[in-house]
Amino acid sequence: KNEVEQSPQNLTAQEGEFITINCSYSVGISALHWLQQHPGGGIVSLFMLSSGKKKHGRLIATINIQEKHSSLHITASHPRDSAVYICAVRGSSGDKLTFGTGTRLAVRP
Amino acid sequence: GAVVSQHPSWVICKSGTSVKIECRSLDFQATTMFWYRQFPKQSLMLMATSNEGSKATYEQGVEKDKFLINHASLTLSTLTVTSAHPEDSSFYICSAVPWGGADNYGYTFGSGTRLTVV
Repeated sequence: KNEVEQSPQNLTAQEGEFITINCSYSVGISALHWLQQHPGGGIVSLFMLSSGKKKHGRLIATINIQEKHSSLHITASHPRDSAVYICAVRGSSGDKLTFGTGTRLAVRP
Repeated sequence: GAVVSQHPSWVICKSGTSVKIECRSLDFQATTMFWYRQFPKQSLMLMATSNEGSKATYEQGVEKDKFLINHASLTLSTLTVTSAHPEDSSFYICSAVPWGGADNYGYTFGSGTRLTVV
């Protein structure tokens, strides 16, 4: 079993839909990161969370430390949101990240 | 915001030759640089961690003589794939942690290098 599990693996949505991507982890962490990987391969860091909730534009990320679970929400999805979304956790010591397998999102116009 | 410039973005080389990939932090000092490899439709696999001025720490199963990492300054880290073979064809990407640590500043990723060995 992977230390970081994401669901769903693939997701297709119509433009305007509300999207949720889930991440569960099994290890103690100091922070959880949500990353976006564009079709060309570049990776952008969206959120760094250690508790609670963060919002940036149409993106919302939440984390429940007790349940070892995080969600990434996209409101009013748009075709430009099409990308792979990756959950990654940093352990209690050191700066190494452990990655989930990613969620491939396609938003259709 | 913090930017890591990675180049080349793609390279095709002949089997047996060496290829150097550079990651440069443009507006911050990177005390730690991580190098990853990614196969199609798979997640990132950590190859090694480099700290400025010291030898890189390689993950289990990664050949240090094949994948040479140099972190000569606080703004530049390089990965050299030596004697490349077709099985080394992959997407390579770096990420940098600024001075001040990941706790405070997170990670900044390069744009990646797609290596094809023919």
